[in-house]
Amino acid sequence: QVQLVESGGGVVQPGRSLRLSCAASGFTFSSYGMHWVRQAPGKGLEWVAFISYDGRVEYFADSVKGRFAISRDGFNNMVYLQMNSLRPEDTATYYCTKIRDSFGYNWFDPWGQGTLVTVFS
Amino acid sequence: DVQMTQSPSSVSASIGDRVTITCRASQGIRTSLAWYQQKPGKAPKLLIYSASTLQTGVPSRFSGSGSGTDFTLTISNLQPEDFATYYCQQANTFLLTFGGGTKVEIK
Repeated sequence: QVQLVESGGGVVQPGRSLRLSCAASGFTFSSYGMHWVRQAPGKGLEWVAFISYDGRVEYFADSVKGRFAISRDGFNNMVYLQMNSLRPEDTATYYCTKIRDSFGYNWFDPWGQGTLVTVFS
Repeated sequence: DVQMTQSPSSVSASIGDRVTITCRASQGIRTSLAWYQQKPGKAPKLLIYSASTLQTGVPSRFSGSGSGTDFTLTISNLQPEDFATYYCQQANTFLLTFGGGTKVEIK
């Protein structure tokens, strides 16, 4: 079945960088756009970033634009979120998720278990 | 950006009750709306997409309706496993946005 497994979270000081990874399996990775969505502790969901099935199109939330980068590795079925210039407000659980249907609307299904990033001095 | 406003923010209900959650978009989004369920400590789960299409495996007591700016999620015959937080999400335009969530609690 489809599986998404995030890793790379941890505690980091403000201004530093962190790279999150998402290992995908159980589907034709090269056919699906991928997203990162985050959730601050006790708060709601916030979409963060998108990368198209072929890696040619990227979108970012205004809150992370210019600081975060998204990439994918089709050989290893991985998605990455490079987070630079981290701020305390970036503290959240970060979820990796795929679009439900290849070339379809951006419905998120399924989601990984999430990885916690804490930005703390 | 399209702002999504959910109401109520929380609701108390009993087993067997019918619960209705509303989601309003700040501009028309056709039927480009999904609903997710999230239980404590777990990742969200897709329930409904395209405003009214039930995701595979989701019980038929869940239903969605609406188009344009006003949408509803209805849970008929509330079951113990339905106590959770529910989010709407618009996919009409990037930037993708979520509602603030509605927590369904046990009365």
